[in-house]
Amino acid sequence: GAGVSQSPSNKVTEKGKDVELRCDPISGHTALYWYRQSLGQGLEFLIYFQGNSAPDKSGLPSDRFSAERTGGSVSTLTIQRTQQEDSAVYLCASSVSGGGNQPQHFGDGTRLSIL
Amino acid sequence: SQQGEEDPQALSIQEGENATMNCSYKTSINNLQWYRQNSGRGLVHLILIRSNEREKHSGRLRVTLDTSKKSSSLLITASRAADTASYFCATGPTGAGTALIFGKGTTLSVSS
Repeated sequence: GAGVSQSPSNKVTEKGKDVELRCDPISGHTALYWYRQSLGQGLEFLIYFQGNSAPDKSGLPSDRFSAERTGGSVSTLTIQRTQQEDSAVYLCASSVSGGGNQPQHFGDGTRLSIL
Repeated sequence: SQQGEEDPQALSIQEGENATMNCSYKTSINNLQWYRQNSGRGLVHLILIRSNEREKHSGRLRVTLDTSKKSSSLLITASRAADTASYFCATGPTGAGTALIFGKGTTLSVSS
């Protein structure tokens, strides 16, 4: 497709389980971002990829959170040993280049619910 | 940490009226961007204004930027019910920064 694609769109899991969220950016976009949005809140930056490397992972809330990007394309965000406070919408965005001076194109997010 | 702070938090207007949302920020920026988010969807980029620009237009949207006051405004003219959404400002960092910093947004309701 032409836009950013995220899967799954919804994920319900039990506390303590691991989850993996996927993002397919727009083809050719070198920069990829992960954000978290809690109900009625703004976006919380998690991590930024330029190509396959992550020059800024300062927003990852704990060592339970990790992300990788392969082939300069698909990215996965993994949350280990999920907690109820991890419940949120996880949004992925891509842009032509990084540096925060380009428009970002967002997917529709993965709504994660931890029971 | 969130840099952009939108004001008001919520705004309700009638179709045809203008809607003005404001954004204030704290540190130097390279650019400021406005995004719209419809319920249950991702954000859609509306407009980007660079730090050396003062005003920008796109269709019914008008954005102003005052770097001396560290503030921006988004004006939507002749609003429509389809404009109902949350609107976020995001600041692009100077220097070696990487990430946009988003505010908490203004929720706009346009009734017909």
